[in-house]
Parts: sequence; C-alpha cells; structure tokens
Amino acid sequence: KAGVTQTPRYLIKTRGQQVTLSCSPISGHRSVSWYQQTPGQGLQFLFEYFSETQRNKGNFPGRFSGRQFSNSRSEMNVSTLELGDSALYLCASSRTSGSNEQFFGPGTRLTVL
Amino acid sequence: GESVGLHLPTLSVQEGDNSIINCAYSNSASDYFIWYKQESGKGPQFIIDIRSNMDKRQGQRVTVLLNKTVKHLSLQIAATQPGDSAVYFCAENDPGTYKYIFGTGTRLKVLA
Repeated sequence: KAGVTQTPRYLIKTRGQQVTLSCSPISGHRSVSWYQQTPGQGLQFLFEYFSETQRNKGNFPGRFSGRQFSNSRSEMNVSTLELGDSALYLCASSRTSGSNEQFFGPGTRLTVL
Repeated sequence: GESVGLHLPTLSVQEGDNSIINCAYSNSASDYFIWYKQESGKGPQFIIDIRSNMDKRQGQRVTVLLNKTVKHLSLQIAATQPGDSAVYFCAENDPGTYKYIFGTGTRLKVLA
C-alpha cells in the first residue's frame, strides 16, 4: 500500500510569509506526527494529531500550528516565517498513538529567504 | 524544542563486514523502540522495532538488541553493503506522553 506522502516536496518562501504543508498518512493510520529536522538540532517533535485532535505538542512557538481532517490527512501551518524556520519538515503516521510502528514521509524542504 | 544535538559519530566499515550501531536511550519506562535509516535528502526509513519485553529481534540482515539494565539499544547489520551508507537513528516511545524521543544519529560509511 502507498506510504506517507507529503506535499509540496520543496518550498521557497520569504520572511514574514506563511506556509501550509500537507501530509497524507498510510491508509488506515489515524495518528500523524510532525517533526522539524535541521542540521544543528536534529529531529524535533512539533505535534501529534489523532482522530482530529491534537494529542501532543512540542516546544515550538504558536506560529506553528496544525490540524487533522476526518480522513486523517493533516496540515501544518507556519505563520510569519523566520530564517530559522528553514528545515526539513517530516510527517510520520502510525495506526494509533503510542507504542507502535511509525512511518515517515519524504519530507518537505522549506527554505526561508 | 525537544531536540537531539547533531554531533554525529561516524562508523566506517569495510563492505562485507558486520556493523554495530549503538544507542543509549533516556527513559527506563520506554516500552517500544524503533531503528530508522535516513539517506541524504530523504525521510527516515523504518528498519526494525522491538518491544521492551524482548531482548533481541531479527530481521533481514539486521538484528536489534535491547539491554534494559543499562538502557542500551544496538543495531547489527550483517554483511554491510554500500547501500547501507546512511544516518541511523534510534527512537524510544515514552508511554507516559506517547512521544517518540530520537537518539543522536550515527553516520555509517561503507568502504568499498
């Protein structure tokens, strides 16, 4: 079956703009987590959605937000972009929340100029 | 944010040799662990997992060992191939928060 898909794969924005990234989980998976990956900080957890509810949140400012739809697809939004937001944004899906297999998508490479 | 510093240790192995990648995890209550492989420009790829009620699990060419006494996880790759060159991460699931905590990655370089 199809893996986790993320769109767009690459994005270039300027400071102050906002961006929306999309993630479609593996069919049957109801949990979607978002991560930010940078060379200096590694993988940082942003938030997790399960059954359209935010179940967990990392330590990111309120400029970072997300949501999940009834079909389990998820979007994350970053407003008022800063240069430091340049990163690879990864989405991961799992059947449920907690201790079970989590599969990553290819990521969206965001560059903020 | 929650993070793991990216001071990546590097393991260089000869093609055909076995590789052992180690990971120290942080939470003695963690009950589930995953090893991921990440190639340049790609998302992490699930390799193998293990639950805390097991000490060892084998996959195709890979074995994961779990030592709960010292909170240590290892990934063994048999007959390492050039395609195994990547960064390898371990992840632990915190049963209290359901969050995954990622270990510091290890870069594996396979020498021809």
